[in-house]
Amino acid sequence: ILNVEQSPQSLHVQEGDSTNFTCSFPSSNFYALHWYRWETAKSPEALFVMTLNGDEKKKGRISATLNTKEGYSYLYIKGSQPEDSATYLCAFGGGADGLTFGKGTHLIIQP
Amino acid sequence: DSGVTQTPKHLITATGQRVTLRCSPRSGDLSVYWYQQSLDQGLQFLIQYYNGEERAKGNILERFSAQQFPDLHSELNLSSLELGDSALYFCASSLGGSNQPQHFGDGTRLSIL
Repeated sequence: ILNVEQSPQSLHVQEGDSTNFTCSFPSSNFYALHWYRWETAKSPEALFVMTLNGDEKKKGRISATLNTKEGYSYLYIKGSQPEDSATYLCAFGGGADGLTFGKGTHLIIQP
Repeated sequence: DSGVTQTPKHLITATGQRVTLRCSPRSGDLSVYWYQQSLDQGLQFLIQYYNGEERAKGNILERFSAQQFPDLHSELNLSSLELGDSALYFCASSLGGSNQPQHFGDGTRLSIL
């Protein structure tokens, strides 16, 4: 059974502050690491797919880094806004096409 | 809007029954994935189809089966339903391969009474 761990489980951040959270995954048989944003009453939405060690991806105020040798990825949000409130999921792809998801980090931005 | 359509949105049925969930993938996507989300669990991968063929299998029970049709829509069949099968079932589609982002439908909420 593949273990994909996300921390923290939940996070309260003041509007305007920056934050980051972690996804750890197996360092063997790595093929891809995905990040998704899941807002309440909606479906998960793809943020990034990273495949190479050292990859860095950016989308507006959100960015992600990848370390496949040690098996972790960080997601960063700069200058948090209320619309950033969501659950952020990471998912490990081991090459067999199906993804193994973590349980997510539930982010709440406080005005 | 992800372009992935799932029907029905809600389904209420009784133990022992059989249901079919339907998914139409985003235009151009060849892969369809099915996931189950139960209370306190993350998204659990069930099965993947690529262009009509089964590509990968996850934690799918023997009571569950799926198929992908020539028009690329997919159906997930759940039979001999138990209370523990109550969950949100998501379909996602992609071009194929775990290096492609997946696009999720809105899910079907299944409640077993």
